[in-house]
Amino acid sequence: QVQLQESGPGLVKPSQTLSLTCTVSGGPISSGDSFWSWIRQHPGKGLEWLGYIYYSGNTYYTPSLKSRVTISVDTSKKQFSLRLSSVTAADTAVYYCARLGSSWGKGFDPWGQGTLVTVSS
Amino acid sequence: QSVLTQAPSVSAAPGQKVTISCSGSSSNIGNNYVSWYLHLPGTAPKLLIYDNNKRPSGIPDRFSGSKSGTSATLGITGLQTGDEADYYCGTWDSSLIAVVFGGGTKLTVL
Repeated sequence: QVQLQESGPGLVKPSQTLSLTCTVSGGPISSGDSFWSWIRQHPGKGLEWLGYIYYSGNTYYTPSLKSRVTISVDTSKKQFSLRLSSVTAADTAVYYCARLGSSWGKGFDPWGQGTLVTVSS
Repeated sequence: QSVLTQAPSVSAAPGQKVTISCSGSSSNIGNNYVSWYLHLPGTAPKLLIYDNNKRPSGIPDRFSGSKSGTSATLGITGLQTGDEADYYCGTWDSSLIAVVFGGGTKLTVL
């Protein structure tokens, strides 16, 4: 079954760009019913969806972060990546990658373990 | 402030039943499917319910989901200490044009 694993720096300086990668194993990334997503959770807070990418490269970003978020995919490596620019302390969170099914109602399954990214000088 | 409203905490005794509510509006729950997640801090969240009331394979039938109007409910029967976790609801919001989640409900099994 599909498994996801996030990787990337755990510490990013303010105003710099946060970069994370999610590696897909146990199944194809080029699946027609999969939308590869990023979700974050601020310390002690709820979940915030950032956006998704389809294996073809089509993307959709949550409007509130659209100007700073870029999600890309490398099907040859079975990876998709998140870049969040101009970060501030407010971007400190646990970042999860997850697979969204063929429609919004199908939910996110599976999720990666998550990786904590701290924004601090 | 989360778009979907959940009670911060709920508790019940082992073996009992508990319900966790998720309240929204016509732009989200009222016109879109709801999913539910179990999250133990430090681990990967797990999908419990999708399309309002369907269970992925491997999720026991102790977990159930329902929706009425602009609210959704997760039910858990035969509570076990292993069910202690945070539970989140999620859905699409047609006004915000984004996926939205509840703030989470912490379940304590006394």
